[in-house]
Amino acid sequence: DAKTTQPTSMDCAEGRAANLPCNHSTISGNEYVYWYRQIHSQGPQYIIHGLKNNETNEMASLIITEDRKSSTLILPHATLRDTAVYYCIVRVLNAGGTSYGKLTFGQGTILTVHP
Amino acid sequence: ETGVTQTPRHLVMGMTNKKSLKCEQHLGHNAMYWYKQSAKKPLELMFVYSLEERVENNSVPSRFSPECPNSSHLFLHLHTLQPEDSALYLCASSQDWDTQPQHFGDGTRLSIL
Repeated sequence: DAKTTQPTSMDCAEGRAANLPCNHSTISGNEYVYWYRQIHSQGPQYIIHGLKNNETNEMASLIITEDRKSSTLILPHATLRDTAVYYCIVRVLNAGGTSYGKLTFGQGTILTVHP
Repeated sequence: ETGVTQTPRHLVMGMTNKKSLKCEQHLGHNAMYWYKQSAKKPLELMFVYSLEERVENNSVPSRFSPECPNSSHLFLHLHTLQPEDSALYLCASSQDWDTQPQHFGDGTRLSIL
């Protein structure tokens, strides 16, 4: 799976948009970009994923650059409950082989939403 | 409501005790996983089950023994644990063993005395 690079931490004011960047310059053509987050004392929570088109769901939007070497997760109106560690993961949709379901979580970005 | 429920949420045990962690998923998924999350370390995959068969054992010590009686339930039996086994143990499920995304429970916080 391609390696990702994320800032260690970010701050955001409540009600404003939170834009979390992720670099994945070695991404392969069949690898998707996944975002998870982990709120303190909870398990990781799936947010969104995409291949090359921008994606939006009830939680967030995912913007992937045309060359697919970077992406941005957007929380349009951040709330205090969005304070969490956000993980950007790149991997194939159906791994097969010896990858099984393995998700490789890096250190992620600690997002702090303040009043 | 995550659809994946883990019990207990917290567990304190001595090194000679035997205990079990339980995970139940209500999502109709075929694959279930055990992860370990130690302080300031990334998640480590421990075991993967697909349709009640183990498909991955990621070099986990034998003091951890998984059991998957059906596709909705997953157990992690613990015996003779070490202090370094203190961690958050997370269960996850996905539609199939090689698909994403995975849905996680809130974990069991395990402390070994």
